[in-house]
Amino acid sequence: DQQVKQNSPSLSVQEGRISILNCDYTNSMFDYFLWYKKYPAEGPTFLISISSIKDKNEDGRFTVFLNKSAKHLSLHIVPSQPGDSAVYFCATLTQGGSEKLVFGKGTKLTVNP
Amino acid sequence: NAGVMQNPRHLVRRRGQEARLRCSPMKGHSHVYWYRQLPEEGLKFMVYLQKENIIDESGMPKERFSAEFPKEGPSILRIQQVVRGDSAAYFCASSPLSNGNQPQHFGDGTRLSIL
Repeated sequence: DQQVKQNSPSLSVQEGRISILNCDYTNSMFDYFLWYKKYPAEGPTFLISISSIKDKNEDGRFTVFLNKSAKHLSLHIVPSQPGDSAVYFCATLTQGGSEKLVFGKGTKLTVNP
Repeated sequence: NAGVMQNPRHLVRRRGQEARLRCSPMKGHSHVYWYRQLPEEGLKFMVYLQKENIIDESGMPKERFSAEFPKEGPSILRIQQVVRGDSAAYFCASSPLSNGNQPQHFGDGTRLSIL
């Protein structure tokens, strides 16, 4: 029973264009949604998060959108750069408990020069 | 300003041996989390600890696995009598507070290989 789903294992975009990574979740009780970026042989690095009471959060080239009715969130990267090539994980968190993160399986983004 | 430190980075064990993975959280962080990543999978939560306390071990296998975070020293994830299925990347994360406003920061992991 996967609570967090990233249905696209991979995505390839051209440098300078927009990258859109998608994530669906099943549990309406999640309080926060986070995106992590991971390079090979390294640990995940926190990118951006959004509270369940908001529908958009922006930080530089990264914007996360949350659609609670559809239980869907997306990460937009614009403009995409070759250094953005990595695996992106969507994660959710419920406050008041153990604060454990529930991860999707990840989407491998390749930005071509 | 060191981040989360995990060692060893790579660990090779034969079936039946014990594996000990260590994690030193970021300075000022008192909450430690362990996750496991199998090939082609996302990270799966194993255990959440504070100093000298296990808060949530719902993701830990019932046998052979244990974790501790003593008053002094790093957090330890211990796997006894390892089997081939234990081969994975084990990541530790830490945070200063237990709330959604403080994202967990991850170490670079320990890659465990079982021969």
